[in-house]
Amino acid sequence: GAVVSQHPSWVICKSGTSVKIECRSLDFQATTMFWYRQFPKQSLMLMATSNEGSKATYEQGVEKDKFLINHASLTLSTLTVTSAHPEDSSFYICSARATGRANTGELFFGEGSRLTVL
Amino acid sequence: AQSVTQPDIHITVSEGASLELRCNYSYGATPYLFWYVQSPGQGLQLLLKYFSGDTLVQGIKGFEAEFKRSQSSFNLRKPSVHWSDAAEYFCAVGDTGTASKLTFGTGTRLQVTL
Repeated sequence: GAVVSQHPSWVICKSGTSVKIECRSLDFQATTMFWYRQFPKQSLMLMATSNEGSKATYEQGVEKDKFLINHASLTLSTLTVTSAHPEDSSFYICSARATGRANTGELFFGEGSRLTVL
Repeated sequence: AQSVTQPDIHITVSEGASLELRCNYSYGATPYLFWYVQSPGQGLQLLLKYFSGDTLVQGIKGFEAEFKRSQSSFNLRKPSVHWSDAAEYFCAVGDTGTASKLTFGTGTRLQVTL
């Protein structure tokens, strides 16, 4: 099946610094990618929809200036947590949907990135 | 707005026993429904999905789910559970416009005893 890779798998940073998480579709092109946040023992909450070549669409309550999303190519979306604070510590998961004829309706998920802010 | 309810937070079954995980959804039209499995510290793997057609859907790893419109349910079943099935299971509903903007349930943690 299609593969979505996230990097880094885990990151520890100091409060006030910024962290970038990459989401790559390895064997397919993805016009649209999605970023989720998962708190311990809780469900996934959609943060934003990342659109290649255009601005991301953020869900209500998600600060777009804090969670910067860039989708510069058909295989890469990045999430940057700016001025991170301990409350931003979480498990971030991306997903991608194949474009065009390769689109089966299925979303492929990355393995997730665990962020810990000290 | 669409929503998903998974009534069981935690279920424990013996290996070899049958399994049913419950999922109820709320959506105005015919929904797109999904079951995902997540192992600790991992991403999500799709077990099966329902878009239309036969209401009994077969998935990977011996799982199946049945869409019951009258009950707004999409319960996941497996006739014989293996210890490797221990994980977190999420039911999700997608809007018929894109099928990609998913709303997840709170998950059911499955524990398998030997």
